[in-house]
Amino acid sequence: QVQLQESGPGLVKPSQTLSLTCTVSGDSISSGGNYWNWIRQHPGEGLEWIGYISYSGRTDYNPSLRSRVTISVDMSKSQFSLKLTSVTAADTAVYYCAKDQGFGWLFDWGQGTLVTVSS
Amino acid sequence: EIVLTQSPGTLSLSPGERATLSCRASQSVASIYLAWYQQKPGQAPRLLIYRTSSRASGIPDRFSGSGSGTDFTLTISRLEPEDFAVYFCQHYGSSPIFTFGPGTKLDI
Repeated sequence: QVQLQESGPGLVKPSQTLSLTCTVSGDSISSGGNYWNWIRQHPGEGLEWIGYISYSGRTDYNPSLRSRVTISVDMSKSQFSLKLTSVTAADTAVYYCAKDQGFGWLFDWGQGTLVTVSS
Repeated sequence: EIVLTQSPGTLSLSPGERATLSCRASQSVASIYLAWYQQKPGQAPRLLIYRTSSRASGIPDRFSGSGSGTDFTLTISRLEPEDFAVYFCQHYGSSPIFTFGPGTKLDI
């Protein structure tokens, strides 16, 4: 059974870069057909898809965040990462990593990590 | 971009009752790309339904999904205490790849 675990700083200063890592266990991050996603949820609100990196290294991002987002993968560590630049208080959210097997739904999720943007 | 709206925003029911949650898309979508999730406080969303009507592994059969085109429904036939949560619908498309509805809170 695949498990995903987010890690990274819980507090980031405005204008700095938010960096999170998702560690994958129970599955190969390079397995064909898998798409590794980042999703966030502002406090008390709905879900916003940030982007994904595919098993082949292809990325796609939400147009609303595209200019600030980079998702990368480190296969040797079975991890994929999120970088979000120039953060503001509006980026305060719980950040989730999740797996799509290429079918268009997200069965496996990490537990989420709260990132607060504040000076 | 597909925009999903959900109604009602909050649904207040009692255990044993039937719940009907609605998800409407801003344009017609393929039913294979419509999913539903349940989220409880402090937890990650859990996939309930995919392809409009297929139950995910481990999901009780009191949960069912239906719909086509722009109108989709999640039905919980007889509410159990553990079903009181927030429910999101989700579409898989393009730019952005995943879009979510704003959620329906199912309250006791």
